[in-house]
Amino acid sequence: QVQLQESGPGLVKPSQTLSLTCAVSGGSVSSGTYFWNWIRQPAGKGLEWLGRIYPSGNTNYNPSLRSRVTMSVDSSKNQFSLKLTSATAADTAVYFCARGQLLVQGEFFDYWGQGSLVTVSS
Amino acid sequence: QLTQSPSFLSASVGDRVTITCRASQELSSYFAWYQQKPGKAPKLLIYAASTLQSGVPSRFSGSASGTEFTLTISSLQPEDFATYYCQELNSYPRTFIFGPGTKVDVK
Repeated sequence: QVQLQESGPGLVKPSQTLSLTCAVSGGSVSSGTYFWNWIRQPAGKGLEWLGRIYPSGNTNYNPSLRSRVTMSVDSSKNQFSLKLTSATAADTAVYFCARGQLLVQGEFFDYWGQGSLVTVSS
Repeated sequence: QLTQSPSFLSASVGDRVTITCRASQELSSYFAWYQQKPGKAPKLLIYAASTLQSGVPSRFSGSASGTEFTLTISSLQPEDFATYYCQELNSYPRTFIFGPGTKVDVK
């Protein structure tokens, strides 16, 4: 059974960098049929996809955040990470990591972490 | 841009429930539905517009007609009260987009 677990600071000061890591168990981040994603959800609001990283290290980022977001993958630790620079209160949200499936039938998110609340506040 | 309707839906156990999303493109391969309960991560229900994810009850089904995608729950069960999101993969820029959600509440 694939499991994903987010970790990182729950409180970030404005203008600082928000950093999260997602540890993957029960599967490999190096598998070519998957891609690895960050998705966030402000309290009481909907879901926003931040971006994805492939095992090769190639990335797609949401254009709304592209200048501030960086994702990386560490196959030796079987984990992937998110960095979001210049954090503001608008970045306060629950951050989910999720596995994406890359099939002929489509692309979608089949396994999710439990979510990590990050608050941006001084 | 994904529009989803209704935003809220009050229903009773046993009801047939239909939620609709209008997408920007007809590519059903890139359309999915998720269920989210309070304090939990979303759960994949349907992918490629109509393929049921393994382990999801057969009362859930998805269909597509042009750019309109529909999630149907044939007979609402107590555990189905939740918020439902649709999702598409935009072709350019290549970005996943979620609908605003439909909250299904007890009537």
